Amino acid sequence: DTEVTQTPKHLVMGMTNKKSLKCEQHMGHRAMYWYKQKAKKPPELMFVYSYEKLSINESVPSRFSPECPNSSLLNLHLHALQPEDSALYLCASRPTGGRGANVLTFGAGSRLTVL
Amino acid sequence: GDSVTQMEGPVTLSEEAFLTINCTYTATGYPSLFWYVQYPGEGLQLLLKATKADDKGSNKGFEATYRKETTSFHLEKGSVQVSDSAVYFCATNSGYSTLTFGKGTMLLVSP
Repeated sequence: DTEVTQTPKHLVMGMTNKKSLKCEQHMGHRAMYWYKQKAKKPPELMFVYSYEKLSINESVPSRFSPECPNSSLLNLHLHALQPEDSALYLCASRPTGGRGANVLTFGAGSRLTVL
Repeated sequence: GDSVTQMEGPVTLSEEAFLTINCTYTATGYPSLFWYVQYPGEGLQLLLKATKADDKGSNKGFEATYRKETTSFHLEKGSVQVSDSAVYFCATNSGYSTLTFGKGTMLLVSP
């Protein structure tokens, strides 16, 4: 298995809703990432988990809450979002050793629309 | 911090034309360099990479050479196809943790 799987592919939510994005990989990668990508822009780093511990938070608003319950799974919990949070949310992972240790593998993304 | 500069797009070519997308970088230490491709409605896929000076990355007919003296990693393909239409991101990491992306270059190939 060489994939990063993200669900759902599309999500529409109101500003008062609570929802979650899910990311899963079975490549044994111990570093996992959340990126946000607006249209016609490069991805922007949000969070990095290393060995299931949060190692980087790029000053992301608290309405985004990441969680890494185990080495294969990464969640992004969403609450009280704003319309400007509408974007493509990308998950990525990488191994923490070996020749491929600096290569990120990305999922297909979850496209979020906040009404 | 690290930075990556890519040529502005869109780049519009006819099928079988030669492609060059310029990329230059600034980074500390000994960065690795990457080209990622994003097809419409999809996530990013690694296209090729190079980890040290003079390395050439290649994949699917695309090539890029790590030029430390000019801090460049230009993407080339001898004959583009309609299916190559996508957004191409140049990226670097001078540590293992994170990538610094360029702004992306959209390539449009017409039949």
